[in-house]
Amino acid sequence: AQSVSQHNHHVILSEAASLELGCNYSYGGTVNLFWYVQYPGQHLQLLLKYFSGDPLVKGIKGFEAEFIKSKFSFNLRKPSVQWSDTAEYFCAVSPLRGGGFKTIFGAGTRLFVKA
Amino acid sequence: GAGVSQSPRYKVTKRGQDVALRCDPISGHVSLYWYRQALGQGPEFLTYFNYEAQQDKSGLPNDRFSAERPEGSISTLTIQRTEQRDSAMYRCASSRTGTGLGTEAFFGQGTRLTVV
Repeated sequence: AQSVSQHNHHVILSEAASLELGCNYSYGGTVNLFWYVQYPGQHLQLLLKYFSGDPLVKGIKGFEAEFIKSKFSFNLRKPSVQWSDTAEYFCAVSPLRGGGFKTIFGAGTRLFVKA
Repeated sequence: GAGVSQSPRYKVTKRGQDVALRCDPISGHVSLYWYRQALGQGPEFLTYFNYEAQQDKSGLPNDRFSAERPEGSISTLTIQRTEQRDSAMYRCASSRTGTGLGTEAFFGQGTRLTVV
């Protein structure tokens, strides 16, 4: 079965620390990849996405992610986190087979940034 | 409207009652999705529509769950004879087309359902 695995459920960092959140998926075919973020009290919103082309994708607020096809990974990075990055982050995969309508989410990683 | 709107935001119901959750997608969006998110988990796919046609309902957990989108816009997710295990956040999203075809999905605020 298709699945998305996020390596850490909870991460605590100090401001200015670097961030890397791991994401691996299990699906052999072509996929589109996403990172969504949910700030406290708000709805899920797209952080960045990969559909094709350059495997290093840049998103909003200084986030980036790298798609490594051979490792089935799509890790999220930010060089220097801020207190306002405190949120829950979800990796998601949308297999293209069947039309690409079904998106599978990981369990999420809660990030807390200490001021 | 400007975004995906879900109502109610919170719903507390007694076990055995039926509930109807509403989703009003972004105007013009073809595809509409329902997800369920249990505490500590990521969103779990339930079903999706293109226009008024329900294309995939493989994620609906059992026949107590149903969804419709009769005019290709507003959708209703209905849970009959609710059980405590149905308690979760129910999320709706819409996209211009499918998320695998070059577009992203926009999510609503969700409906927090609690069955007591």
